[in-house]
Amino acid sequence: AQKITQTQPGMFVQEKEAVTLDCTYDTSDPSYGLFWYKQPSSGEMIFLIYQGSYDQQNATEGRYSLNFQKARKSANLVISASQLGDSAMYFCAMRGYAGGTSYGKLTFGQGTILTVHP
Amino acid sequence: GAGVSQSPSNKVTEKGKDVELRCDPISGHTALYWYRQSLGQGLEFLIYFQGNSAPDKSGLPSDRFSAERTGGSVSTLTIQRTQQEDSAVYLCASSLGGFGTYEQYFGPGTRLTVT
Repeated sequence: AQKITQTQPGMFVQEKEAVTLDCTYDTSDPSYGLFWYKQPSSGEMIFLIYQGSYDQQNATEGRYSLNFQKARKSANLVISASQLGDSAMYFCAMRGYAGGTSYGKLTFGQGTILTVHP
Repeated sequence: GAGVSQSPSNKVTEKGKDVELRCDPISGHTALYWYRQSLGQGLEFLIYFQGNSAPDKSGLPSDRFSAERTGGSVSTLTIQRTQQEDSAVYLCASSLGGFGTYEQYFGPGTRLTVT
């Protein structure tokens, strides 16, 4: 079984500052992928960034980076230079693989609401 | 290109009625997923299609829920004899494959309200 934990129900950040959203995970799968999605108030789920469990380097996509610490089972999202449009719900998710059988589903955390103040 | 589309965007139905929710994935995406998002349960996986077959339907909450996919494209999620606890936003997602680095692209969702 897989579990994703996001311990921050809400976070606040000042515009132009950096913010870290926490995510820890638990799985027994030998390999797995970690994803972050953004859900604005409009409801759409927007893919932000992906990290594979065997990737040697932390993933980066523009202002988003993923601080992957495999031994600690954490995959924190760092947003640099926050913008007002970053205000949204953020979900950490995992997809696992076991014994050559791929499982398509994502397991999601409970989400963190980020509010960016001007 | 066109993203994932879902219809209807909103559905209000009376308890006990059947409902059908439709998902049109991104063209060429072989993998299709249904999720449910509710306040109490967060985002829950329902079913996964690879092509027209469903290798993982472990998230379907009861036998009132069923889904099919035809032509490797459009999928329909059917809820029979709806209950109030079925009220949620039903999200469909598609990806190029059901494994690897492929991200899932989500549709706008169908908000189902059972009265």
